[in-house]
Amino acid sequence: QKEVEQNSGPLSVPEGAIASLNCTYSDRVSQSFFWYRQYSGKSPELIMSIYSNGDKEDGRFTAQLNKASQYVSLLIRDSQPSDSATYLCAVNERRASKIIFGSGTRLSIRP
Amino acid sequence: DTGVSQDPRHKITKRGQNVTFRCDPISEHNRLYWYRQTLGQGPEFLTYFQNEAQLEKSRLLSDRFSAERPKGSFSTLEIQRTEQGDSAMYLCASSLAAGNEQFFGPGTRLTVL
Repeated sequence: QKEVEQNSGPLSVPEGAIASLNCTYSDRVSQSFFWYRQYSGKSPELIMSIYSNGDKEDGRFTAQLNKASQYVSLLIRDSQPSDSATYLCAVNERRASKIIFGSGTRLSIRP
Repeated sequence: DTGVSQDPRHKITKRGQNVTFRCDPISEHNRLYWYRQTLGQGPEFLTYFQNEAQLEKSRLLSDRFSAERPKGSFSTLEIQRTEQGDSAMYLCASSLAAGNEQFFGPGTRLTVL
């Protein structure tokens, strides 16, 4: 079992709709959770971090964390063509330094 | 621009040659990380430094790979006797502390012919 699992996609969403990206992780002591956006040929860009159960909203983005289910998700409201990218879920154990990344979900916003 | 810089951005080399990459982290960040990413995969951890001390190395980091951060500021990653399997994007990231957000540089894309 991979430590951080994501559906590779592609996930196709119409412009203006809500895109929902999901991620599960295997290590129960994980404490920090991150979503990165990566455009083709570019490096990962941090878009959200979440540390406690519940929802965290930032503009059109909402991260949701459920530690009991070992599940973290990212919602993108009012999806725009510029949101088309690969979204990487990343998890960090308590007091550990390295981040474990999932393989990413490719999101495509169709006009 | 996150404030993390990497040099060079692209490197093409022949198999068997040595290559060295440089990373300059965000100035107040004392933790620096190296990752490697291949097509269709997420970044894979290679090693990290707290100040000048290298505190963890991945099993992915063979004896041909070495990293330094001599004064706790910039870091270098050297690959000796490159192999075609070393072709990847090499990413550097920095953070203030463990568990904190990591910010990535633009990466160095290595192609080994």
